[in-house]
Amino acid sequence: GIQVEQSPPDLILQEGANSTLRCNFSDSVNNLQWFHQNPWGQLINLFYIPSGTKQNGRLSATTVATERYSLLYISSSQTTDSGVYFCAVEYGEKLTFGTGTRLTIIP
Amino acid sequence: KAGVTQTPRYLIKTRGQQVTLSCSPISGHRSVSWYQQTPGQGLQFLFEYFSETQRNKGNFPGRFSGRQFSNSRSEMNVSTLELGDSALYLCASSHLGPSGNTIYFGEGSWLTVV
Repeated sequence: GIQVEQSPPDLILQEGANSTLRCNFSDSVNNLQWFHQNPWGQLINLFYIPSGTKQNGRLSATTVATERYSLLYISSSQTTDSGVYFCAVEYGEKLTFGTGTRLTIIP
Repeated sequence: KAGVTQTPRYLIKTRGQQVTLSCSPISGHRSVSWYQQTPGQGLQFLFEYFSETQRNKGNFPGRFSGRQFSNSRSEMNVSTLELGDSALYLCASSHLGPSGNTIYFGEGSWLTVV
């Protein structure tokens, strides 16, 4: 099956800092999505981004499908950005999740 | 528009028992999928239903089963519970729209097996 790896696994930043999270996948995929899992366990959809670049406020994402990676940028981090960020790829009609990046924003 | 609703939110079961979890998708969404999340294995796909038919199934034993009703609500059942079944079970609904096949998750059901 497809392998989806995220880096870094853990990231601790001061409030106001910028960060870049990476997602690498081992095969061509139909689509890619980024999610944020809050401390209560709910996964919130951030971006549906099979290719190209999208921006939503302080967050933006870029997927380079030909090179099999995606990046999530978070600017001016806030404590509410803390949590685990997952990328997930649609491969063979199934959604396969990456290993996640745990982001901790310190006030 | 109401989100994906999962019940119960928290439950504790004993080894050997069975459990049924329920999921109500977003109105108009016909695809419902289930995932298991554990610290050791991460998020793993269980199965997906569309219009009452199971379209895909993950690599889980036959103790894990599910179904979807005509109103798109879905249930999953785990029989003969094992300690390793303790996990967060997440349900998601999706709809193919102009922005693609965006998936929305419920808040999950936290299952503890003792």
